[in-house]
Amino acid sequence: DIQMTQFPSTLSASVGDRVTITCRASQSISGELAWYQQKPGEAPKVLIYDASTLKSGVPLRFSGSRSGTEFTLTISSLQPGDSATYYCQQYNSYSLTFGGGTKVEIK
Amino acid sequence: EVQLVESGGGLVQPGGSLRLSCAASGFTFSDHYMDWVRQAPGKGLEWVGRTRNRLHSYTTEYAASVKGRFTVSRDDSTNSFYLQMNSLQTEDTAVYFCARGAFCSSSRCPGPFDYWGRGTLVTVSS
Repeated sequence: DIQMTQFPSTLSASVGDRVTITCRASQSISGELAWYQQKPGEAPKVLIYDASTLKSGVPLRFSGSRSGTEFTLTISSLQPGDSATYYCQQYNSYSLTFGGGTKVEIK
Repeated sequence: EVQLVESGGGLVQPGGSLRLSCAASGFTFSDHYMDWVRQAPGKGLEWVGRTRNRLHSYTTEYAASVKGRFTVSRDDSTNSFYLQMNSLQTEDTAVYFCARGAFCSSSRCPGPFDYWGRGTLVTVSS
């Protein structure tokens, strides 16, 4: 199976800060990666797919990028409603895998 | 409006069985792959299994942790998706989400889970 290593596992930042979350794949997955946001008690919601395509309706402060097997989710200006856990997921292989998650807290 | 509604969760003893259902509406169900994803209490997301659509002969895939114990299936005539869980273990305790996978009309259809249900809790305990 393709392993997705996501870091950091937690981060604390202030409103307005630029936040970066990274996911590294154990082998090439092309750009077949999505980022999800999950708030407590809710189902995950897709923010970005194909590494950098913003899902319709998602605020423009969210962006995704890729460099080889390393993928990054950036929140350009953290907002109070962005407090959540974020997951990456690869859908390149028959066995789909998620990263371990990053919990984002607002200071 | 796309809706996915899971049902069938509950308390079951180790070694027991349970069948989860997912009722889909608001989209052409037969065009999409469908997946189950679970989340143990306080833990991250784990993909469980998938059924592809008719174009891909309803083929299935499973996570190694459930292969041989769980079976996914679908009924396009009723827009329903199922997860049959046998030989349940305490580590299968989780919220189980039904998720819509890729719309697929070609030979390969990679894509994210763009809609999710609210989930149903399965507790395996004696």
